Amino acid sequence: DAGVIQSPRHEVTEMGQEVTLRCKPISGHNSLFWYRQTMMRGLELLIYFNNNVPIDDSGMPEDRFSAKMPNASFSTLKIQPSEPRDSAVYFCASSIYRGHQPQHFGDGTRLSIL
Amino acid sequence: AQKVTQAQTEISVVEKEDVTLDCVYETRDTTYYLFWYKQPPSGELVFLIRRNSFDEQNEISGRYSWNFQKSTSSFNFTITASQVVDSAVYFCALSEAGLNFGNEKLTFGTGTRLTIIP
Repeated sequence: DAGVIQSPRHEVTEMGQEVTLRCKPISGHNSLFWYRQTMMRGLELLIYFNNNVPIDDSGMPEDRFSAKMPNASFSTLKIQPSEPRDSAVYFCASSIYRGHQPQHFGDGTRLSIL
Repeated sequence: AQKVTQAQTEISVVEKEDVTLDCVYETRDTTYYLFWYKQPPSGELVFLIRRNSFDEQNEISGRYSWNFQKSTSSFNFTITASQVVDSAVYFCALSEAGLNFGNEKLTFGTGTRLTIIP
């Protein structure tokens, strides 16, 4: 079975550019999570969707960040404009909603903003 | 507010030794779930175990075992006869189910970097 698929795996771009990260959750999973991992702040939840609806976006750093889930099999995390402090590994995870089932993570996108 | 503390930042042991990774959590909820994840050098996060707050039975899976003690708010992880492949960062995480019904987000600890020396 395919796991959570994230693209791209690596992204290097210049400050000010728009960055779009993509995620395909595991088929049948109806919760989707975006996390950011940095040395300074560890693993932080950015936003969380249930059945394509955002439930908790309290971790989204600022208006430069936005996330969408137009359907059950696709989500995007967009940063516009990007800044060097956005450099991090971004993980997408999915799970079956209800009962706090384990979240299964993608391989992450390593983002570097120059 | 929920919080997870992994006080051990880094641990190094010689191969075949046993090692215990500590996890202490804080929550006002009576219903919650605890998790352990492994992050090997390749970077992905791998789910290891999930435990709910009503089940205090210890669990063993091969060389891995987990000790859940509500009295001390701890959920410790022991690797027996460690191997080089166990080298990774291990994260403990908490999800509240009562006070925060419907929101299944995880709060992670800062992780423990485990190095197994051959």
